Order: sequence, then structure tokens, then C-alpha cells
Amino acid sequence: DTEVTQTPKHLVMGMTNKKSLKCEQHMGHRAMYWYKQKAKKPPELMFVYSYEKLSINESVPSRFSPECPNSSLLNLHLHALQPEDSALYLCASSQGRIAGAKNIQYFGAGTRLSVL
Amino acid sequence: KQEVTQIPAALSVPEGENLVLNCSFTDSAIYNLQWFRQDPGKGLTSLLLIQSSQREQTSGRLNASLDKSSGRSTLYIAASQPGDSATYLCAVRPGGAQKLVFGQGTRLTINP
Repeated sequence: DTEVTQTPKHLVMGMTNKKSLKCEQHMGHRAMYWYKQKAKKPPELMFVYSYEKLSINESVPSRFSPECPNSSLLNLHLHALQPEDSALYLCASSQGRIAGAKNIQYFGAGTRLSVL
Repeated sequence: KQEVTQIPAALSVPEGENLVLNCSFTDSAIYNLQWFRQDPGKGLTSLLLIQSSQREQTSGRLNASLDKSSGRSTLYIAASQPGDSATYLCAVRPGGAQKLVFGQGTRLTINP
């Protein structure tokens, strides 16, 4: 099973709302990732968690707040977003550093976010 | 800074043809290179991963090659089918880094 599950599939929110995106994997992976993808562009890395600790933050605005409650779950908390934050948000997971050069990233289907 | 380029940006071919997608990268110090497929509005599906020590990987009708010294990879698709229509993304993992650096993708259309 190489499944990464993201919920919800679609989300519409106003600029004053608070919402959360959820990502789950049961492959025993110890690295989890959030990406943002705009239309017709490649994914852009936002955050990396390694062994439940935040290891990379690609200078993402504080209105995006990641959380890794345990090794299977990754959340992205959203607050006071702007219309330009509308995008497809993708979660991915991989075995982590232990896999070395065999470290395949598996992606979820994404959450389509619209900010009004 | 690692940069990844994919050429062409779009490709349209008739069903049944064999085709090659190209990916080039500027820094040869990579851990691995991964090819993904993305259908419109969907997530990424991993197709093949080539480790830096490998020259090629095969899965069904797909064959990916890696020439690290020249900074190039190709994805060969044999006997193309309409179901192969999608955007194909190449991504490299720089040595010592946890992140992937993506190319802009090639949008492939297979015409019945």
C-alpha cells in the first residue's frame, strides 16, 4: 500500500476563516512534506517534517502553520489567508534519511483550496 | 543552485508511437531522480526512481535513463496509449538535501 490520504478534497474559505488540511499515511514513513502547486506550475516545497520534527520551512508566511501530531499524521492549519493562496496543496511522504538514495516520495491527491 | 529543465513543454503524438521526454539538471551532485505523472487537478504518481549510482530503470512500457555526468535523464514510453496523456514531471534530489527540485513538466497528449 503506497497511499497518502488527504482531506478534504476541496475547501472554500473566506479570508477571516480558520481551517485545517489533513494528511495521513500508514506506510511507516518518517518524513512528510507539504507542497503548494499553482495551475500549470510544478509543486513548490513548503515544509518538511523528519521524525515528527520540522526540518525545513521554505520561508512560508506564518498564516500557514504545520503540525505533525504523530508519525502518521500531518496537518496544515490555515488562518487569514489571501486570495493568492488559492492552489492545490499536496502532501507527500517518504521513508526518510534511512532510505538514502532509494527515498521515493509518494504524493496524496491534494486539497483544492479556494480563498474568497 | 540546482535547476531542472524539461523539453518540450508540450508534446502531441498519435497512439502507438514510441516517444522520449527529456529532463536536464545543472548540478550533477544528486542523490536520485524521480519521474512523476500528474493528471489534471490530481496528485503526483511516482513512475520511476533512479538512484545516482544507476543508469536506468524500467517499469512496464516505461524506461528511464540517467547520465549524471552530462546532467540528463530521459523517459522513454513505448507503444503510447491515450491513457498515457498527462503531465510528466522530472524531479531531482540534490545530494544531502531532503527536498526535490522539479522541472516545469511536459504536457503529453496521445491522440487516438
